[in-house]
Amino acid sequence: QQKVQQSPESLIVPEGGMASLNCTSSDRNVDYFWWYRQHSGKSPKMLMSIFSNGEKEEGRFTVHLNKASLHTSLHIRDSQPSDSALYLCAAYNYAQGLTFGLGTRVSVFP
Amino acid sequence: AQTIHQWPVAEIKAVGSPLSLGCTIKGKSSPNLYWYWQATGGTLQQLFYSITVGQVESVVQLNLSASRPKDDQFILSTEKLLLSHSGFYLCAWSLGGSYEQYFGPGTRLTVL
Repeated sequence: QQKVQQSPESLIVPEGGMASLNCTSSDRNVDYFWWYRQHSGKSPKMLMSIFSNGEKEEGRFTVHLNKASLHTSLHIRDSQPSDSALYLCAAYNYAQGLTFGLGTRVSVFP
Repeated sequence: AQTIHQWPVAEIKAVGSPLSLGCTIKGKSSPNLYWYWQATGGTLQQLFYSITVGQVESVVQLNLSASRPKDDQFILSTEKLLLSHSGFYLCAWSLGGSYEQYFGPGTRLTVL
């Protein structure tokens, strides 16, 4: 059974600061990683996906992937109070489908 | 544009009572459909998925069952609720297994 480990469990970031979240899969057959954001009481929304080694940037969000170590990270720069949410990492492989990690809870204080 | 609806929005039910939750996707034919359960403050646990009408695969046994009676409809049910069934139930769809999953607004279930 694939496991997806996320760290840290929670993160407190000052407004305007940088938040860095980590995610590692235990399955060498992982094909894709997804990052979802879930605001309190709401359903998850896909934030970014990454399939290839390297870096991908969209606005204030940057995702890195190292396929050799099965590790991805999400970085949020210039954090805003509206970024306060649960961030879920999900790894996909053909055999097991999508597996979510336990998430990192980010709190941005003004 | 595709839309996904879930009903009801919230339910409060007694232990031992039956349950039926629904999900409808409009604007997309033959989507993959998924049911997830999320305990308060917890991660998403996939319960069932369906690739086609009438076919449902179970991922985790939680004394729940699922059915796909129509291409655009996915139903989650049980005849006897347990306290442990409380949580947030999410329906999702995707174009295929390796594609992004889009989540519905969810149903919050409280079992007393």
